[in-house]
This record gives sequence, structure tokens and C-alpha cells, in this order.
Amino acid sequence: KQEVTQIPAALSVPEGENLVLNCSFTDSAIYNLQWFRQDPGKGLTSLLLIQSSQREQTSGRLNASLDKSSGRSTLYIAASQPGDSATYLCALQGGSEKLVFGKGTKLTVNP
Amino acid sequence: SAVISQKPSRDICQRGTSLTIQCQVDSQVTMMFWYRQQPGQSLTLIATANQGSEATYESGFVIDKFPISRPNLTFSTLTVSNMSPEDSSIYLCSVATVSYNEQFFGPGTRLTVL
Repeated sequence: KQEVTQIPAALSVPEGENLVLNCSFTDSAIYNLQWFRQDPGKGLTSLLLIQSSQREQTSGRLNASLDKSSGRSTLYIAASQPGDSATYLCALQGGSEKLVFGKGTKLTVNP
Repeated sequence: SAVISQKPSRDICQRGTSLTIQCQVDSQVTMMFWYRQQPGQSLTLIATANQGSEATYESGFVIDKFPISRPNLTFSTLTVSNMSPEDSSIYLCSVATVSYNEQFFGPGTRLTVL
């Protein structure tokens, strides 16, 4: 059974800092990995999708990496802004279309 | 990507009643999913809804409690039946794109059961 762990559970940083969010998983037989953002009381916004054959994906100030052999993914946020404050969720897709989610990292960027 | 809407956005219900949540997508999709997010927790898949067939439920979720309809390729409903306070959660629908199986989520329905 796939288990997804996100560390840290919460992170507070000053504006402008570069930061890394971590996601680890137990079963390396994945189809893809997706990072989401969730604002309080809202739905999920897809940030980046990494196929199992890929090592990383970039979108603007965001860069996500995937290392299946070690069961790890990271989400790098450059030059953080207060608007980046949200909960970031990592989710893995195995053989079916089902996503298995981590519990998320709650990020606060202080002005 | 896909644009997904849900109705209602939130509701407060009495114990023992039922609520039907609607999910509408702006394009035809094969796979639709219903998730639950309990307070302070991450998302858990309730069921997968395919058009023209019965929904497939995950362990711990049953059709009598969470009946699902999928009448066409752009619409689905989830009913939360005989509600109890433990059903208080955010309920989200999502769809998967055909090409990369990237999933997109609706804004969610925040349900409070008194």
C-alpha cells in the first residue's frame, strides 16, 4: 500500500526566501506525481505534474523533482511571496487513476 | 486543463438528512472522482465514477451511504445519505485528462452536519 509523507507539516519563512518542500513515498512503482496547492477552505490547484520517466518539471518560480529510486520528490519555490501562502499537497498515481495524497505542508510567507 | 464547478459550495445540514452534491465539467471526460477531506486531514478517494457503469468504491465507502450518478460525460452527483456529524468534510470532485492523467479539482463543497 502506497504511503506518502510530507515534511515539514508547517513552514514559516520571510518573503524573498527560497524554500524546499519534501515528499517521500514507499512504493516506487508510480505512474506520475502531482503537486497541488490548496488555499483555506478551497479546492486544489494543480501546480506541476511529473511523469514517472521525468526527473523534474518547472513552472515559473516552481521546480519539482522526482527520484523514484529513493522514493522522494521536492518542490522548490524561488523568491517566495506572501501570495504563496497555502497548503501544498503531493499526490502519487500508481497503476490505477487513483491519487494517494500526503497530508500536506502548510506554508506561510511573512511580508 | 478542465474547469470544474460544484454545487452547493457549502451547506449546513441536520443529522439524518441527505445532501446531493453536483459536479459539472466544461469538457467531456471519461474519469471523474469524488474525494473527501475531513477537517485537518488530507484527501481520501471515495469512488471513481465512469459514465455508463456503476461507480467503483474504495475500501470503507459503500454505495448505500454515498450513491453516485454519472448520467453523461460532463456531469456527476454524489449523495451523502443519512448524515451524521462525522460526515462533516469538504467533498471534492476531480477529473483526469486522457493524455497524461493529470487531475483537476473542483472548488469543493463544505458540508457541516449538526
